Amino acid sequence: AQTVTQSQPEMSVQEAETVTLSCTYDTSESNYYLFWYKQPPSRQMILVIRQEAYKQQNATENRFSVNFQKAAKSFSLKISDSQLGDTAMYFCAFMGGNAGKSTFGDGTTLTVKP
Amino acid sequence: NAGVTQTPKFQVLKTGQSMTLQCAQDMNHNSMYWYRQDPGMGLRLIYYSASEGTTDKGEVPNGYNVSRLNKREFSLRLESAAPSQTSVYFCASCTEPSGANVLTFGAGSRLTVL
Repeated sequence: AQTVTQSQPEMSVQEAETVTLSCTYDTSESNYYLFWYKQPPSRQMILVIRQEAYKQQNATENRFSVNFQKAAKSFSLKISDSQLGDTAMYFCAFMGGNAGKSTFGDGTTLTVKP
Repeated sequence: NAGVTQTPKFQVLKTGQSMTLQCAQDMNHNSMYWYRQDPGMGLRLIYYSASEGTTDKGEVPNGYNVSRLNKREFSLRLESAAPSQTSVYFCASCTEPSGANVLTFGAGSRLTVL
């Protein structure tokens, strides 16, 4: 079974600064995908970014980028130019080739301060 | 375009009562999922349906049953609710049961069992 660990329960950052959220995982699968989801107070789960394990290039989506270290089984999320609207809980998630095998981390609560 | 719709959004039950959470998607997705989210934790998979007519257990299936009524609808039933089932429940769907496909989530249903 795979595991996903987010070691930072809470983080805060000043508006316009950069913050990095950590995620490590463990799996014996070779074909898998990694995700970061955002959950604002509205409770809606929103996809932030996705990484295919077979791709070496790190995924980017506007102000969001990942540092994917496959050998170290690390998948961190960098948020640049943080905005107040980035305040939310962020979940790292693992999904194997069969999406029934989905595992979420316990989340990191990020607060962006004005 | 409604996406994934869950009903009810809130429900309070007494121990031993039964209830069904309804989920419907209008995106012609083949795969549907039920997760639960407990305070301070990530999402844990209860059951999933890779395609119409099939259902499989996830990580925490005990105390629940599911029905894939048709391609659009996937319901979750609690036959005899227990306080340990107090949680927020999320339904999700995707085109095919693979991590290559992104999950679309409903808004969640908050269930309290007294």
